[in-house]
Amino acid sequence: NAGVMQNPRHLVRRRGQEARLRCSPMKGHSHVYWYRQLPEEGLKFMVYLQKENIIDESGMPKERFSAEFPKEGPSILRIQQVVRGDSAAYFCASSPLMNGVPFFGPGTRLTVL
Amino acid sequence: DAKTTQPTSMDCAEGRAANLPCNHSTISGNEYVYWYRQIHSQGPQYIIHGLKNNETNEMASLIITEDRKSSTLILPHATLRDTAVYYCIVRVEAFGNEKLTFGTGTRLTIIP
Repeated sequence: NAGVMQNPRHLVRRRGQEARLRCSPMKGHSHVYWYRQLPEEGLKFMVYLQKENIIDESGMPKERFSAEFPKEGPSILRIQQVVRGDSAAYFCASSPLMNGVPFFGPGTRLTVL
Repeated sequence: DAKTTQPTSMDCAEGRAANLPCNHSTISGNEYVYWYRQIHSQGPQYIIHGLKNNETNEMASLIITEDRKSSTLILPHATLRDTAVYYCIVRVEAFGNEKLTFGTGTRLTIIP
């Protein structure tokens, strides 16, 4: 059984560029969560999605950040016009149903130059 | 979700049992206790969860007090690979509130 997959594992962007982070949930999982971990800090919840629906986006910054989980394909976290403060590790987790145990992927480390 | 309190750091000798405490005195009846760990900068790893009964799996045991206000994660025979930050999280099982809220956790160091 493949676990949660994230790609790319490392992403380097210059200020002002766009970053697209992909998360492929475990087989049979239809719920996805995104978290951000700034250097030397804890994990902060960003957004929770089901297929084609955003359920909770209370942790998403109001500007430049968006997330989707289409009917087909991976979940995408998109960061427009990146700034140096966006440099962090971004983790996604998936679960099989509401209130199922979330399992995390290995993360994408974003570096903004 | 209820707040949890954990020691900032702990040491444990290799081969001994590591007992990690967690206080969750405001836990509600429909909140589960979850434990995850994060080794270095890897993704968090699920360990175990429970509601009110003690739980055991291949990784650890979870002991929840009868009043549910605290719990202990037990790693029976700690190895160097168990060095990590351990997070105790309470999570309500209700629609619209399924996210895990991570605190600062306990940094467990296994001493050779």
